[in-house]
Amino acid sequence: GAVVSQHPSRVICKSGTSVKIECRSLDFQATTMFWYRQFPKQSLMLMATSNEGSKATYEQGVEKDKFLINHASLTLSTLTVTSAHPEDSSFYICSARVSSHDEQFFGPGTRLTVL
Amino acid sequence: GQSLEQPSEVTAVEGAIVQINCTYQTSGFYGLSWYQQHDGGAPTFLSYNALDGLEETGRFSSFLSRSDSYGYLLLQELQMKDSASYFCAVRGATNKLIFGTGTLLAVQP
Repeated sequence: GAVVSQHPSRVICKSGTSVKIECRSLDFQATTMFWYRQFPKQSLMLMATSNEGSKATYEQGVEKDKFLINHASLTLSTLTVTSAHPEDSSFYICSARVSSHDEQFFGPGTRLTVL
Repeated sequence: GQSLEQPSEVTAVEGAIVQINCTYQTSGFYGLSWYQQHDGGAPTFLSYNALDGLEETGRFSSFLSRSDSYGYLLLQELQMKDSASYFCAVRGATNKLIFGTGTLLAVQP
């Protein structure tokens, strides 16, 4: 089956620093990747959608200058949390799909803790 | 706006049957999916309904009624390992997967 990986799985950083999270589709080419955020005991909230080679589309309320998304290739998307603060501590999950009518495959998630 | 509502918690005993409901209000509708998520893990795909009716996959079944904007996940012969959060999700007009509020299932011995 289709596999999506994320790196790192866990990261702890100091307030004010930037953190980059990578999402890779290992055995398929993902034209579209999605980034979700999940706070404890809550649902997955879609942050943004990125298509390879174009700018990401952000959901309402998500700051595009704070959460930088790059989808430079068909197998890699990165999410950079800039100037992270404790309220950014969350579980970040990426998802990828081949085409618009295909299933979305999810990565294992990255737990970010900002001190 | 879009909303998918689920009961927040359900408790059942091993061997029992439990039904988790999902009502949705979305702009456009391409199908209803169900995902399981264990604490600290990623969501794993369980089932998908694009048309009305019941889809069965082993111990899990999923039902959809598009006219009622309603679906449910049925789990049979519950096992302790089924304790997890369950999310319904809809792919709507924007073709993005939007998740429901989630249901925490606790299976007791």
